[in-house]
Amino acid sequence: GAVVSQHPSRVICKSGTSVKIECRSLDFQATTMFWYRQFPKQSLMLMATSNEGSKATYEQGVEKDKFLINHASLTLSTLTVTSAHPEDSSFYICSARKDRADTIYFGEGSWLTVV
Amino acid sequence: QKEVEQNSGPLSVPEGAIASLNCTYSDRGSQSFFWYRQYSGKSPELIMFIYSNGDKEDGRFTAQLNKASQYVSLLIRDSQPSDSATYLCAVQERQGGKLIFGQGTELSVKP
Repeated sequence: GAVVSQHPSRVICKSGTSVKIECRSLDFQATTMFWYRQFPKQSLMLMATSNEGSKATYEQGVEKDKFLINHASLTLSTLTVTSAHPEDSSFYICSARKDRADTIYFGEGSWLTVV
Repeated sequence: QKEVEQNSGPLSVPEGAIASLNCTYSDRGSQSFFWYRQYSGKSPELIMFIYSNGDKEDGRFTAQLNKASQYVSLLIRDSQPSDSATYLCAVQERQGGKLIFGQGTELSVKP
């Protein structure tokens, strides 16, 4: 299967700072990437859909100014959590697909802890 | 609001038994259905996908889809302790390709 890599796998940041998470498709060009957040013992909640070269589409209730998503190339999307707060601490997972008919592949996820 | 519902469990089965995991969805127009396994602290990994009504078998896993009843299930035969994980049902919208996840069912296989 295709490989999607996330970095960093774990990050701790201070409250009020910003942190960037990268999602890369290593062996295919991803026209669409998806960002999910998962709190402990809960399911994956879609945050936004990112298409290469265009603005991300955010799900209802997700603050686009707080969670900045950039999909500048066909192999890289970034999620920046701005002015992070402890309640933003979560497991952030990206996924990617090559085209509409393709399987969606998940990255390894990134644990964010805001202290 | 499109929904995907799963029994959160935990579901406990003895080693060697059949584990049955169920999922219902609200969007009648959904086309594609996926089962993911997620170990604690890890990202989901795809087990199976199914598009057509009926059964689809892959090794010890069988996915069953009934679009009329808006129901999809996953059977795990000869369950092993290593199958202990949370199983996530996901439904793909007709357009856009977003995956909508259920809350997951925690499976525990006892030796």
